[in-house]
Amino acid sequence: DTEVTQTPKHLVMGMTNKKSLKCEQHMGHRAMYWYKQKAKKPPELMFVYSYEKLSINESVPSRFSPECPNSSLLNLHLHALQPEDSALYLCASSHIDTQYFGPGTRLTVL
Amino acid sequence: DQQVKQNSPSLSVQEGRISILNCDYTNSMFDYFLWYKKYPAEGPTFLISISSIKDKNEDGRFTVFLNKSAKHLSLHIVPSQPGDSAVYFCAAQIRGGADGLTFGKGTHLIIQP
Repeated sequence: DTEVTQTPKHLVMGMTNKKSLKCEQHMGHRAMYWYKQKAKKPPELMFVYSYEKLSINESVPSRFSPECPNSSLLNLHLHALQPEDSALYLCASSHIDTQYFGPGTRLTVL
Repeated sequence: DQQVKQNSPSLSVQEGRISILNCDYTNSMFDYFLWYKKYPAEGPTFLISISSIKDKNEDGRFTVFLNKSAKHLSLHIVPSQPGDSAVYFCAAQIRGGADGLTFGKGTHLIIQP
């Protein structure tokens, strides 16, 4: 089983809202990732958690705040986003070297 | 600087024939390579991978070839089926760390009946 689940599937929010994206995996993977993908572009890495510790933050704006409550869960807290933050947000987890992706959350910021 | 390049934005292949998708990389530290298939508004689906110690890996209809000296890899799909129509991303990483993947820009494969 290589399933990564993400909720919600779609999210529309205003620039003053606070919302959270959730990601879950029960494969025992110890590394989890957030990526952002704009239309017709490849996924771009945002955050990496390894053993529940943030190991890489690719200089993402502070309006995106990751959280890893335990080894199976990964959250991305959103606050004061801009319309250009509208994108598909992908979560992934990895076993050794292979990353498995969730279905993504389609975020629209109005 | 683009470290992983897929120079063909799209590729059209007849059903039943071989599809060959190409990928080049510039970072000689990359030692693990993956191919993902992606439909619109969905997450990438892992297809096949190859370590730099190998030059070929096969899984059913999918074969990945790696030429380290040329920093080139390719994905062969034989025979091509209509369900193979999707965007294919080549990705690379340095093995052993918890780094993210570096993706190419993708190739849109269209299988024609």
